[in-house]
Amino acid sequence: NAGVTQTPKFQVLKTGQSMTLQCAQDMNHNSMYWYRQDPGMGLRLIYYSASEGTTDKGEVPNGYNVSRLNKREFSLRLESAAPSQTSVYFCASTSRVSRTAYSNQPQHFGDGTRLSIL
Amino acid sequence: KQEVTQIPAALSVPEGENLVLNCSFTDSAIYNLQWFRQDPGKGLTSLLLIQSSQREQTSGRLNASLDKSSGRSTLYIAASQPGDSATYLCAVMWVGSNYKLTFGKGTLLTVNP
Repeated sequence: NAGVTQTPKFQVLKTGQSMTLQCAQDMNHNSMYWYRQDPGMGLRLIYYSASEGTTDKGEVPNGYNVSRLNKREFSLRLESAAPSQTSVYFCASTSRVSRTAYSNQPQHFGDGTRLSIL
Repeated sequence: KQEVTQIPAALSVPEGENLVLNCSFTDSAIYNLQWFRQDPGKGLTSLLLIQSSQREQTSGRLNASLDKSSGRSTLYIAASQPGDSATYLCAVMWVGSNYKLTFGKGTLLTVNP
């Protein structure tokens, strides 16, 4: 039961470097999400993809880009990493009936990527 | 602004005690409310999802209630065990949010043997 798989689990970057966080789900879900979790700030939505071929900004999208590669995979890219992007990043997925309807299914989360930017 | 608040931020109880975790939310126009558990260094695990039309949901020793009119939900844990120690998060999906979740900051529960 793989569920939602995130790679890498840990990463240290220098300011200005770029990297891509990978996420894949094997539950045939059509909606996928990227969150960041910071102490005292809780879980905040960065970007989401309601269905294959669509992406939308969440609460804190600045400094990030996303790609919905196919139904299974949703990647998050930091083009020029900044210390403020040090965080734990979580990918999640769920099923939706269609782009305009929701099936009341819970979100399933990966174990996260712990990213430190020096 | 639509917000989810969880109080207290931390709670410590002896093993065997029944306990209640609280979640409050602004704006009663919701699709659903979800409770998650997060263990240290891990992702979130869904515990219970209460749809807008429901009053409560139960799973084993867990019972979640929803009162939209007062903007409150509670998670009741019966006969707590040390293995219940974790952070519990509440999340709300509001109507008009394009089906996005807004999370509270969680309650860190410690159950002492």
